[in-house]
Amino acid sequence: QLVESGGGLVQPGGSLRLSCAASGFTFSSYWMSWVRQAPGKGLEWVASIKFDGTEIHSVDSVKGRFTIARDNAKDSLFLEMNRLRVEDTAVYYCVRGGSRAFDFWGQGTLVTVSS
Amino acid sequence: QSALTQPASVSGSPGQSITISCVGTSSDIGTYDLVSWYQQRPGKAPKLIIFEGTKRPSGVSDRFSGSKSGNTASLTISGLQAEDEGDYSCASFGPTAWMFGGGTKVTVL
Repeated sequence: QLVESGGGLVQPGGSLRLSCAASGFTFSSYWMSWVRQAPGKGLEWVASIKFDGTEIHSVDSVKGRFTIARDNAKDSLFLEMNRLRVEDTAVYYCVRGGSRAFDFWGQGTLVTVSS
Repeated sequence: QSALTQPASVSGSPGQSITISCVGTSSDIGTYDLVSWYQQRPGKAPKLIIFEGTKRPSGVSDRFSGSKSGNTASLTISGLQAEDEGDYSCASFGPTAWMFGGGTKVTVL
């Protein structure tokens, strides 16, 4: 199971920290990712982190603003989002995978960036 | 990073077969055997139905099949059923990142 939290309404330029609690599998053995979906739009990959945290990749549009991190001791994944823009408004999914496919998805948390 | 190209919608009658295309480039689909497909029912999270181009996860119906030719990947749904309605998205790894298609809405007539 993957359960996201931390979404909400934030003003442009603001910050949010998303969390994802994992259970039911060996979290420390899997790549993990964040994928987002703007209202009425398609899926967009945001960032991925290797099982041991030694490798991180992210989409160009969030580089320098978003940081993906994990705590294997607490089976948790995080997304620190700074300098948020209106176009970052989306449902953010915590997803298992990121090296070969995305094989298990959380239910998502909505982030709304608006003044 | 550019998105992969999918048709906006595809429809078919129960029992028919439909095919959804996913067009990429020689830098992504044409190079990597890492195309995956996701089914998303309204208001629900996506579900993986095909990975590495042609493989099905355990528990996914064998009515779903994937293929690839050149820079284009395809998802075929055979024996279309009402429960197959929803959005279907492809994804592929590229030289620097993952990318998704825009999604295809499947309607069962």
